[in-house]
Amino acid sequence: ETGVTQTPRHLVMGMTNKKSLKCEQHLGHNAMYWYKQSAKKPLELMFVYSLEERVENNSVPSRFSPECPNSSHLFLHLHTLQPEDSALYLCASSQEDSSYNEQFFGPGTRLTVL
Amino acid sequence: AQTVTQSQPEMSVQEAETVTLSCTYDTSESDYYLFWYKQPPSRQMILVIRQEAYKQQNATENRFSVNFQKAAKSFSLKISDSQLGDAAMYFCAYNPPWETSGSRLTFGEGTQLTVNP
Repeated sequence: ETGVTQTPRHLVMGMTNKKSLKCEQHLGHNAMYWYKQSAKKPLELMFVYSLEERVENNSVPSRFSPECPNSSHLFLHLHTLQPEDSALYLCASSQEDSSYNEQFFGPGTRLTVL
Repeated sequence: AQTVTQSQPEMSVQEAETVTLSCTYDTSESDYYLFWYKQPPSRQMILVIRQEAYKQQNATENRFSVNFQKAAKSFSLKISDSQLGDAAMYFCAYNPPWETSGSRLTFGEGTQLTVNP
């Protein structure tokens, strides 16, 4: 149990659907992250939120839209996705200004786009 | 830009034996943080061990230890007395100093570890 939860754990959606991934952290951290993990590829950082402000967007297509309403919650809104977007989406949190600033991960959402 | 390289896509070890996973990285920073994460079939990414570059002493967590060679930019993970539950994908990760850019983990490609009974 790492204190970071993600829902749903599995999601299958068509290319025309709109869905959202949810992440919640119970660790009192002030930064949250979205990663994409595809088969045979390193984890790709998508978005970073620090103190509820987006501080990084690594050239992610606009069909992915993040939202961070408060320091404990992070959403990833999905619309008109492509089959190549099928992957494991991991959320993480950290306490910036801590000594190691290590990230704690959620269990991920396995997304399949048909 | 920082890069992290894990040159062993797959490794295997017999139960109760020792295995070492390799990791090299590239950075121009003098202080930074290094981590090994474990991702079992459940896909939950779990922190195994961490090391601050300024600390010369190698980190140890129970059966897990690292060999940190700063000059060589090498950060290998040694697993002693391997157990079946150690089977997982292991990722090496680099984190720059918080003052530089906050937490911005760069991950290696991963090493899939198999533990044979």
